[in-house]
Amino acid sequence: DIQMTQSPSSLSASVGDRVTITCRASQSISTYLNWYQQRPGKAPKLLTYAASSLQSGVPSRFSGSGAGTDFTLTISSLQPEDFATYYCQQTYGTLPTFGGGTKVEIK
Amino acid sequence: QVQLVQSGAEVKKPGASVKVSCKVSGYTLTELSMHWVRQAPGKGLEWMGGFDPEDGETIYAQKFQGRVTMTEDTSTDTAYMELSSLRSEDTAVYYCVTVHYYGSGSQYYFDYWGQGTLVTVSP
Repeated sequence: DIQMTQSPSSLSASVGDRVTITCRASQSISTYLNWYQQRPGKAPKLLTYAASSLQSGVPSRFSGSGAGTDFTLTISSLQPEDFATYYCQQTYGTLPTFGGGTKVEIK
Repeated sequence: QVQLVQSGAEVKKPGASVKVSCKVSGYTLTELSMHWVRQAPGKGLEWMGGFDPEDGETIYAQKFQGRVTMTEDTSTDTAYMELSSLRSEDTAVYYCVTVHYYGSGSQYYFDYWGQGTLVTVSP
């Protein structure tokens, strides 16, 4: 199975901060990489797919980049509703796997 | 718009089985590819398995092989996930989720999620 490693596992930031989360795959996955946001007690929500495509309805302050084994999710200006846990997911092949998650907390 | 409504919370004893349902509305089940993901308390997301339309079979994560069965009743547009030989480590919220394919059909993401079903395994 392809392993996905996210860093950091948690971070504290203030409203308006630029936040970057990274995700590394154990082998090359081209751009088969999705990012999800999960708020407490809720189901995950898709943010970006194909490494850098923004899902319809997702604010433009979210952006994804990367290819091969290294990927990033950037929030350009953190908003109060962005405090949540973020997961990357690889879909290279038929067995998808998720990263361990990054919890974004209020500083 | 797809809506997925899951069955209610369950409490089971170790060694028992649990069957969680996921009722689809807005589309028919035959138009969708359904997968299941679980999340233990305070932990991350774990993919369990789902329907692969490329070969028309259900695929399972190796971790759950032999213990999980995913089925579908197309007459009621309801998907089911049954997990047997439950242990305390199976305590988690179980989600059904649909898969959206794009591009050449080999790329996909999870789009519509059920509300989750908490399964608690306790003596």
